[in-house]
Amino acid sequence: NAGVTQTPKFQVLKTGQSMTLQCAQDMNHNSMYWYRQDPGMGLRLIYYSASEGTTDKGEVPNGYNVSRLNKREFSLRLESAAPSQTSVYFCASSEARDLGQPQHFGDGTRLSIL
Amino acid sequence: AQKITQTQPGMFVQEKEAVTLDCTYDTSDQSYGLFWYKQPSSGEMIFLIYQGSYDEQNATEGRYSLNFQKARKSANLVISASQLGDSAMYFCAMREGLASYDKVIFGPGTSLSVIP
Repeated sequence: NAGVTQTPKFQVLKTGQSMTLQCAQDMNHNSMYWYRQDPGMGLRLIYYSASEGTTDKGEVPNGYNVSRLNKREFSLRLESAAPSQTSVYFCASSEARDLGQPQHFGDGTRLSIL
Repeated sequence: AQKITQTQPGMFVQEKEAVTLDCTYDTSDQSYGLFWYKQPSSGEMIFLIYQGSYDEQNATEGRYSLNFQKARKSANLVISASQLGDSAMYFCAMREGLASYDKVIFGPGTSLSVIP
């Protein structure tokens, strides 16, 4: 029972490089989310998707793009990485239309940008 | 705009004592949900407890209870009989917009250390 799978787990980039973080869930959830976690700042919402075909900006969307490829997959793209984007990135999913359903999180991607 | 505040960056509690972690929130929605998650040093996010905005009773789950004061917009987590394994980061989160956009934001977290 995989739950939410994020790839890669670790990545080092140089400033200006691009990369895509992958996220897939096997729980048939409608809602998916991308967060970044930095010390002292908790989890900040980057983008989210309430259903296949829809995406919305969160609290810190600048420098990122997302694609809800299908119901299972939600990718996060850094077009031109900057040192300020060094962080731990978490993908999460949840059943929509049920306020009390908690989110299920992936193990995170630790991203360093030099 | 949505906002979650956790004013205690770090807390210490003696083993077997109770501790309260504070959370205040701001929203204009009438329907919303409040969650608490635990993140141990290993990094995974563990769901602890949920409170709905229309729930009249405070939520409880084992040693966890939520002190929900809607008028004050606070949702404090109470951990009873603290154990060494409770040492972790604790995050308060709020969910709203379920009918349309389903957004979930988190507070900055509180680091709890349980002292033997």
